[in-house]
Amino acid sequence: GENVEQHPSTLSVQEGDSAVIKCTYSDSASNYFPWYKQELGKRPQLIIDIRSNVGEKKDQRIAVTLNKTAKHFSLHITETQPEDSAVYFCAASPTGTASKLTFGTGTRLQVTL
Amino acid sequence: GAVVSQHPSWVICKSGTSVKIECRSLDFQATTMFWYRQFPKQSLMLMATSNEGSKATYEQGVEKDKFLINHASLTLSTLTVTSAHPEDSSFYICSAGGGFTEAFFGQGTRLTVV
Repeated sequence: GENVEQHPSTLSVQEGDSAVIKCTYSDSASNYFPWYKQELGKRPQLIIDIRSNVGEKKDQRIAVTLNKTAKHFSLHITETQPEDSAVYFCAASPTGTASKLTFGTGTRLQVTL
Repeated sequence: GAVVSQHPSWVICKSGTSVKIECRSLDFQATTMFWYRQFPKQSLMLMATSNEGSKATYEQGVEKDKFLINHASLTLSTLTVTSAHPEDSSFYICSAGGGFTEAFFGQGTRLTVV
């Protein structure tokens, strides 16, 4: 089955700096890669996703890049703000839709003033 | 977007008792529901996939007799934790599937077994 690794497990940045979180996956059949932000006790919130036919996608301060050959994808957050502090999860799915997801191990992002 | 309503949001039960968690799709029909479990400070792990009108498919290591899943209608899937023990204490969350372009999660249920 699919295995998704995520690094780093914790990340502390100063407000205004950029944050980068990286994930690698094992199943070459995976073709949908969402990123989620989760606050304590809450459901995961989709912040951006990318499909295998696209190499990069951007939405305001958030961007995701995908390298299918290397089987890795990354989340980039620019101009970080304190409200960006949360746990971020990457995930992968082999169906191209948001069905059965394999999640990464999570990254706790702390944005300090 | 589509709304998945999960209840209860939290529950405390005594060891040995059973707890039922419901997930309802409010404005659409969910042919498939995914059930995840998340231990504190850990990731979401898929437990099982339920398909309306058929038996659930469980992931390796998940006891099907302990975690009973029913998906009797296109708008309701339930997870029953039978004979709960403290090690079952976790955050349980459902997600509607069926070909959607993004996952629609329920609010999650915090189960504490004392």
